[in-house]
Amino acid sequence: EDQVTQSPEALRLQEGESSSLNCSYTVSGLRGLFWYRQDPGKGPEFLFTLYSAGEEKEKERLKATLTKKESFLHITAPKPEDSATYLCAVPRGDTGNQFYFGTGTSLTVIP
Amino acid sequence: DTGVSQDPRHKITKRGQNVTFRCDPISEHNRLYWYRQTLGQGPEFLTYFQNEAQLEKSRLLSDRFSAERPKGSFSTLEIQRTEQGDSAMYLCASSGRTTPLYEQYFGPGTRLTVT
Repeated sequence: EDQVTQSPEALRLQEGESSSLNCSYTVSGLRGLFWYRQDPGKGPEFLFTLYSAGEEKEKERLKATLTKKESFLHITAPKPEDSATYLCAVPRGDTGNQFYFGTGTSLTVIP
Repeated sequence: DTGVSQDPRHKITKRGQNVTFRCDPISEHNRLYWYRQTLGQGPEFLTYFQNEAQLEKSRLLSDRFSAERPKGSFSTLEIQRTEQGDSAMYLCASSGRTTPLYEQYFGPGTRLTVT
């Protein structure tokens, strides 16, 4: 059965303190792993898509990596404005049109 | 703004009433998705349209929920005889010919509160 598990559930960092968020997945035939950022009361904002093991993508202080079993979202020298919930998702089902989301990691960056 | 838009942003209704939400996707996108999100959870898939055809529906979607996408443009999601358990954020997403396969872009959501 398809599974997406994110850890930790919550993370508090001092400004400038780098860390990583984890997304473990079990899905037959990976068609991509997607990272989103979600601010309170808003819809998820697309960040990255990773398609194959070894792939990496970067955007400002964020870097996403992918292995055959998990993905990491590395946050380098975070700022308070990086505070949000970070969600990962994988397409599932015969067509891949249904996204299966993890429960997210709530990140708080303290000034 | 050329992103996905949803209306209303907030809806408070009494149990047993019907509600309808609207989603306007990014104009060149032919694929449209509805999700539901409760507090502390990730979005949960409800249904998928390609153009005007509803091609996929979650097994979790009860008969009280119906969605339409006339003419393959905007979409509506109706919930009949609302229950307190329907309280959630309802999210719409779109993708299409100008985006990589499977990549979905979300709207701001409609927050439903059933009292």
